[in-house]
Amino acid sequence: EVQLVESGGGVVQPGGSLRLSCAASGFTFSDHWMTWVRQVPGKGLEWVANIKKDGSVKKYVDSVKGRFTISRDNAKNSLYLEMNSLRAEDTALYYCGRDVGWCRVDYWGQGTLVTVSS
Amino acid sequence: QSALTQPPSASGSPGQSVTISCTGTSSDVGGYNYVSWYQQHPGKAPKLMIYEVTKRPSGVPDRFSGSKSGNTASLTVSGLQAEDEADYYCNSFAGSNNLGVFGGGTKLTVL
Repeated sequence: EVQLVESGGGVVQPGGSLRLSCAASGFTFSDHWMTWVRQVPGKGLEWVANIKKDGSVKKYVDSVKGRFTISRDNAKNSLYLEMNSLRAEDTALYYCGRDVGWCRVDYWGQGTLVTVSS
Repeated sequence: QSALTQPPSASGSPGQSVTISCTGTSSDVGGYNYVSWYQQHPGKAPKLMIYEVTKRPSGVPDRFSGSKSGNTASLTVSGLQAEDEADYYCNSFAGSNNLGVFGGGTKLTVL
């Protein structure tokens, strides 16, 4: 059974940093692109970043470029999102997802909540 | 890219059909046959319902169907059931150098 479990969310002050993690199991992690999608509570979904199977290609939404870094450790079946210079508008539930191509996410975690507030 | 355009709400009675539209541009919806639809119940993660415009993942009822014409994709739910009440989001591939783009979401109410 495919499982994706996010962790690392919490409350952080504006300008602060957080590192999100996503532990994957039930499939060959290194065979798949992986993605982060966020959702402001009560609002819609937004792509944040995705990463190629071997980590060689990374894409970001414009609003996080230069502040967020997506990475992965295929030996540990783990996906990460390093978030720096956090802003109030980054407050959201962050989902980890398995991207099976053409921006199609077939499995999602349950999300981890990031709150940026002073 | 700009978000795809969906109606904020849709509704229908049990047993009826409802169609939700998703309008983009020639750079996303109109340019590729890579539109997907997600269902999200309150407090839950999204669930893939349709991919590549018309295909259904295993386990998704055939009451759910997708189509596309030009820059507009559509999701049709036939034989509405109470459990279909949820938010629905469309998504489109927008080129190999870009992330995908989601629609703003449609809240489907089963009357």
